[in-house]
Amino acid sequence: GQQLNQSPQSMFIQEGEDVSMNCTSSSIFNTWLWYKQDPGEGPVLLIALYKAGELTSNGRLTAQFGITRKDSFLNISASIPSDVGIYFCAGPYAGNMLTFGGGTRLMVKP
Amino acid sequence: KAGVTQTPRYLIKTRGQQVTLSCSPISGHRSVSWYQQTPGQGLQFLFEYFSETQRNKGNFPGRFSGRQFSNSRSEMNVSTLELGDSALYLCASSTGEGFYYGYTFGSGTRLTVV
Repeated sequence: GQQLNQSPQSMFIQEGEDVSMNCTSSSIFNTWLWYKQDPGEGPVLLIALYKAGELTSNGRLTAQFGITRKDSFLNISASIPSDVGIYFCAGPYAGNMLTFGGGTRLMVKP
Repeated sequence: KAGVTQTPRYLIKTRGQQVTLSCSPISGHRSVSWYQQTPGQGLQFLFEYFSETQRNKGNFPGRFSGRQFSNSRSEMNVSTLELGDSALYLCASSTGEGFYYGYTFGSGTRLTVV
């Protein structure tokens, strides 16, 4: 399947900081999905984007569907400790299959 | 509304053995997809079943197989286990008719092959 390049791979956050991560692809996607995975659990859908240029919010999370349809961004404002986890971007291809980015691991600054 | 249930949660098997994992989707969902998650390869699509038929298949060897029953519950089987099959196996449930709500994943089965 297509590859999604997600960056950064990991980052440390301090409570109250804003966080940004992005996902790029060499292929066009018609849908972008953002998931969060906590340790020992399956990914949970945070935001779904369906139209190029679309900006969607879910509480402190905001995601954008890039105008070229080859990228997407996720921002978390005023981070809190429970934001720790791994965030994945994903895009469907060839029907009902998802390809995932490598993930961005959010950790708390000691 | 019950979520996606995967059993067992943890499994330890020996090389060469076979294993069967189970997934019960959200009520009313007809599509079950399976993914393998490893630190090295990330999340990779295995296959999707829709109304008891395999609709899509990822790039995995024939040792990986699955099936879906009339109540939409799905099983996946891995035969002749190899050390590299150690992974978190996730199943995901969806209506299978468009991607408007993404998937709902189960908590996964952690398989360790020794």
